[in-house]
Amino acid sequence: EDQVTQSPEALRLQEGESSSLNCSYTVSGLRGLFWYRQDPGKGPEFLFTLYSAGEEKEKERLKATLTKKESFLHITAPKPEDSATYLCAVRGGTGGFKTIFGAGTRLFVKA
Amino acid sequence: DVKVTQSSRYLVKRTGEKVFLECVQDMDHENMFWYRQDPGLGLRLIYFSYDVKMKEKGDIPEGYSVSREKKERFSLILESASTNQTSMYLCASSRQGNEKLLFGSGTQLSVL
Repeated sequence: EDQVTQSPEALRLQEGESSSLNCSYTVSGLRGLFWYRQDPGKGPEFLFTLYSAGEEKEKERLKATLTKKESFLHITAPKPEDSATYLCAVRGGTGGFKTIFGAGTRLFVKA
Repeated sequence: DVKVTQSSRYLVKRTGEKVFLECVQDMDHENMFWYRQDPGLGLRLIYFSYDVKMKEKGDIPEGYSVSREKKERFSLILESASTNQTSMYLCASSRQGNEKLLFGSGTQLSVL
């Protein structure tokens, strides 16, 4: 069964304290792994797409990496405005062109 | 700014009512989707559409139907609302061949 598991469920950091969020997936024929950011009361906002193992993408303090089994979202020197829920999603496998989402990691960054 | 607009931010309905959730996109996207989001469960796909008048069931279509009469509009219908349909409903769209989803702000539906 196609599955996306994110850990931890919640992460509390001090401002400037770097860390990583994990997304483990089981899907055959990966057609893309996606990261989204969701602020409270809003819809998810697209961050990155990764297609193959070894690929990396960066945007400001965020860097996403991909292996054959998991993806990491690295947050370097986070600021309070980085506080949000980060969602991982995959496309492929038996779901075909459907996008399957993980439950998300809630990130809290304290000043 | 290109965007996906959902007609209501908050909605309160009674059990048994017929409920319409409307979604409009202004980007001429071919694909449109309805998800529901519940704590701890992530986003789950209800229905999607790849073209006008075309619809496909997602993972949890029971109790829902959809309508896409025009390219820019995708409606989600709860035929007889039940309390277990209390949830955040998110509409999204994407261009054919581009997997990136653009989401609306969501409708928080409460069924009492």
